[in-house]
Amino acid sequence: NAGVTQTPKFRVLKTGQSMTLLCAQDMNHEYMYWYRQDPGMGLRLIHYSVGEGTTAKGEVPDGYNVSRLKKQNFLLGLESAAPSQTSVYFCASRGYTQYFGPGTRLTVL
Amino acid sequence: KQEVTQIPAALSVPEGENLVLNCSFTDSAIYNLQWFRQDPGKGLTSLLLIQSSQREQTSGRLNASLDKSSGRSTLYIAASQPGDSATYLCAVRGDTGTASKLTFGTGTRLQVTL
Repeated sequence: NAGVTQTPKFRVLKTGQSMTLLCAQDMNHEYMYWYRQDPGMGLRLIHYSVGEGTTAKGEVPDGYNVSRLKKQNFLLGLESAAPSQTSVYFCASRGYTQYFGPGTRLTVL
Repeated sequence: KQEVTQIPAALSVPEGENLVLNCSFTDSAIYNLQWFRQDPGKGLTSLLLIQSSQREQTSGRLNASLDKSSGRSTLYIAASQPGDSATYLCAVRGDTGTASKLTFGTGTRLQVTL
């Protein structure tokens, strides 16, 4: 039972490049979330999904897109990366409580 | 809009000391409250979850209390150990249309010294 996994663990992008972060969970959870964590600002919700094929905006959705084509996977895309998107990104899924992945540290130069 | 505040932002205590971490929230209409632990460079691990109808939850040396009417929660750690050193985050889940979302505090960074 791997729980919540995230790929990649680290990434460096140049401004304007695109990338996709992959989140996978093996707990058959309906709810999945993408957060970003910045110093002094806590975790902020980017997008979330309440089930396969659904997505919704969170607190800070601008510059990001998501897809939930399969129940176990939740993808976060950056179409044109900006330095302001330098952050640590966490994926989570929810059963009785919320389970977090180990995070992806993204730097945009 | 719900806001969650954690005081203090950082705390250093000697091993063996009992300690209390504080969390306050502005909107008392919550579904539940969770305490998480985050080790450096790692994800969050859930420690305790208190439903809005409950007053406290205990797990080992940890005890969390909830006073919904005053918008406060405390996490009590008994007989602290160096392995307790981490950042502790409080998060609340609303009980309305945003029921699926958590609002996080910025955390208390705890260091337990030998």
